Amino acid sequence: AQTVTQSQPEMSVQEAETVTLSCTYDTSESDYYLFWYKQPPSRQMILVIRQEAYKQQNATENRFSVNFQKAAKSFSLKISDSQLGDAAMYFCAYRSNNQGGKLIFGQGTELSVKP
Amino acid sequence: DAGVIQSPRHEVTEMGQEVTLRCKPISGHDYLFWYRQTMMRGLELLIYFNNNVPIDDSGMPEDRFSAKMPNASFSTLKIQPSEPRDSAVYFCASSLMAPNTEAFFGQGTRLTVV
Repeated sequence: AQTVTQSQPEMSVQEAETVTLSCTYDTSESDYYLFWYKQPPSRQMILVIRQEAYKQQNATENRFSVNFQKAAKSFSLKISDSQLGDAAMYFCAYRSNNQGGKLIFGQGTELSVKP
Repeated sequence: DAGVIQSPRHEVTEMGQEVTLRCKPISGHDYLFWYRQTMMRGLELLIYFNNNVPIDDSGMPEDRFSAKMPNASFSTLKIQPSEPRDSAVYFCASSLMAPNTEAFFGQGTRLTVV
């Protein structure tokens, strides 16, 4: 069975600085998709970025980028020029392309941004 | 579309009572997921459906939990009898068939069992 692990329960960053959130996963599949979701205090889950496993190029979305290391099964999220509005819980997610689209999440990382 | 709609937003119940959580997915979505969020375990996948059929319910913690999807526009998660350790936020999410598409989440139901 696939698993997703986020080893950092909490992280902190200074406004305008860069922070990296870690995520590792375990799978025997070769074709899958990875996501980062943001959950602000409102509880709403918001997609931040996605990565297809067959693509070697790392995905980027404005200030958000990933470092996808398929062999190491690592999928970290880098937030550049951190803003106060980035403070939230961040979840890493894995979606299988084989097991009927099963979507599983890590435990989450609580990010705080200091002004 | 109004997005994924969950009801109620908050539920407080006494131990031993039956609790029913409801979800209306986005129209046209093929998948529906139920998750439970706690501080200790993060977002746990409880069960998910594809075209109204349960595909994997291995995350359902006990026989006290059951889920149904009688049609494409409605799903329920039932806990009977409820226990204090069931207190959590329960999310419903839906998505299209393609696995590279994002799942859209409802606002969640905060369940408190006293």
